Amino acid sequence: DAKTTQPPSMDCAEGRAANLPCNHSTISGNEYVYWYRQIHSQGPQYIIHGLKNNETNEMASLIITEDRKSSTLILPHATLRDTAVYYCIVRGRDDKIIFGKGTRLHILP
Amino acid sequence: EAQVTQNPRYLITVTGKKLTVTCSQNMNHEYMSWYRQDPGLGLRQIYYSMNVEVTDKGDVPEGYKVSRKEKRNFPLILESPSPNQTSLYFCASSLTRVGNQPQHFGDGTRLSIL
Repeated sequence: DAKTTQPPSMDCAEGRAANLPCNHSTISGNEYVYWYRQIHSQGPQYIIHGLKNNETNEMASLIITEDRKSSTLILPHATLRDTAVYYCIVRGRDDKIIFGKGTRLHILP
Repeated sequence: EAQVTQNPRYLITVTGKKLTVTCSQNMNHEYMSWYRQDPGLGLRQIYYSMNVEVTDKGDVPEGYKVSRKEKRNFPLILESPSPNQTSLYFCASSLTRVGNQPQHFGDGTRLSIL
């Protein structure tokens, strides 16, 4: 079973911030939170990851709660090209990597 | 350009005819992995490899084999393909097995087993 829980779908208006939640209540201390996205049937694309602190890069921001049991991916100004399935996963030193079903984000014009 | 290359991109074949899907990365990554993706089921890990000559089963290894004789290559072998292996397959790699290393994915291989 996936170690994360995400809503199956979300809508966001173009130009607004898209906030995608993820629950990972069983995360352990050495596990990182990762976000990937998949556009149509292309290979998943890495977006961002973090351990404890909030992170920001040119694509997105990652907000991790203090207890690390949940996180939010923020796309600051969503465009139609951000329409995709977004996956939140946790990864530590375990060799297996488990993806859930992700959140299908629809950007509305 | 850093990349993970899969071949073929598309293949239609028949039950029982052995096939190999190749995966190659040019980033000197130690960790490589194969996933399959089916509608409504997300990405499921088939096999992974932590380094040369080290492979292990993921969540859905039945009917598949892999090998890791060289660091850059990680082929997926279907000895006797069956229709339930019709799927979209992805190869991925990361620098090491540790958690602080993002995976890079290939463009996918769409297999149809008739």
